[in-house]
Amino acid sequence: NAGVTQTPKFRILKIGQSMTLQCAQDMNHNYMYWYRQDPGMGLKLIYYSVGAGITDKGEVPNGYNVSRSTTEDFPLRLELAAPSQTSVYFCASSYLGGSYEQYFGPGTRLTVT
Amino acid sequence: DAKTTQPPSMDCAEGRAANLPCNHSTISGNEYVYWYRQIHSQGPQYIIHGLKNNETNEMASLIITEDRKSSTLILPHATLRDTAVYYCIVRVPNRGGGSQGNLIFGKGTKLSVKP
Repeated sequence: NAGVTQTPKFRILKIGQSMTLQCAQDMNHNYMYWYRQDPGMGLKLIYYSVGAGITDKGEVPNGYNVSRSTTEDFPLRLELAAPSQTSVYFCASSYLGGSYEQYFGPGTRLTVT
Repeated sequence: DAKTTQPPSMDCAEGRAANLPCNHSTISGNEYVYWYRQIHSQGPQYIIHGLKNNETNEMASLIITEDRKSSTLILPHATLRDTAVYYCIVRVPNRGGGSQGNLIFGKGTKLSVKP
């Protein structure tokens, strides 16, 4: 299994541009999550999904959108990028039930200038 | 979710046990204690979790006090590869949807293992 994969690894955006961060998992997990991590800080939850077709806001959803059309994929869309969205973005997934540990991807480092 | 308090940083000599403390004095009866770690620039990695009994797995041991107001993560023989930020999180292991079970990361403890 590849686990949780994220693309791209790095990206530089200009203010006002849009982009989609891709996340995929091959573990048949129901739950998927998007976090952001600013320098020296812990992770903050942006959006999460408990299954295909179901998404909900986390702690810091403003400026982002998500969709979950399949179990495997959970893309994060940035519209009108702003410097405040410069961060490292992590996608994660977990089983429904069990020990409920989350498995994280390697991250996407985004800079908005 | 209950909040946790961890020291910002700790040092440990290679080969010695690393004991990482966490205070969670307002933990609720149904909240578990979870530990994750984040090695530089990588995604966080699950280590262990527990409710009230001590737990051990191949990575670490978790000691929870009887009143559940604090816990200690123990890495029995720390190596240089254990240098990371360690996060202590308390939450309900949600199985039915909703935001109850979402992880809330603080700043964690930066553990430096030195030769």
